[in-house]
Amino acid sequence: DARVTQTPRHKVTEMGQEVTMRCQPILGHNTVFWYRQTMMQGLELLAYFRNRAPLDDSGMPKDRFSAEMPDATLATLKIQPSEPRDSAVYFCASGHGHTQYFGPGTRLTVL
Amino acid sequence: DQQVKQNSPSLSVQEGRISILNCDYTNSMFDYFLWYKKYPAEGPTFLISISSIKDKNEDGRFTVFLNKSAKHLSLHIVPSQPGDSAVYFCAASDRGSRLTFGEGTQLTVNP
Repeated sequence: DARVTQTPRHKVTEMGQEVTMRCQPILGHNTVFWYRQTMMQGLELLAYFRNRAPLDDSGMPKDRFSAEMPDATLATLKIQPSEPRDSAVYFCASGHGHTQYFGPGTRLTVL
Repeated sequence: DQQVKQNSPSLSVQEGRISILNCDYTNSMFDYFLWYKKYPAEGPTFLISISSIKDKNEDGRFTVFLNKSAKHLSLHIVPSQPGDSAVYFCAASDRGSRLTFGEGTQLTVNP
């Protein structure tokens, strides 16, 4: 039963600290997405990759967020420095075609 | 600009009755539509989809209807079960892998 995995599941950090979230997409999927869910904004697309190449990161605050795919089995989302307004649940999803399959999310709390 | 809208934040139905969740979109370039279900502390789970060349797709208790002229789609669940209680998101794609999500509707099925 192939699934998208994300680590860590929960992260509490202090303002100004660096945060790295990791995602292992489903093997064989050629697209990977990062979303953020807050109470106010619903599911917000931050960035996505196709065949490991970044296609769109216009949803991310460029000065503090970065997304990479160092290889086909790992996608990372980094926030440096983190701010309290970054507190949210961050989802990774992978897909092939129209359908995306989501991981369980990383709940980030920035104090 | 919210291109996909779910106007009902919540819906409550009795077990065994029909649940109808609605979604409206504005972008006529959308050619594929999906519904996701989300339980608390989990990622969204793909439920059912429909291509713009169809007006109905059925999978067990779940049926999605698409009215392109009205730019409206709906998800019917019949019969509804308490385990269907979750947040339901509709999503749309425009000839690519990128999805635009609605805000979600919280469905509560009462025993």
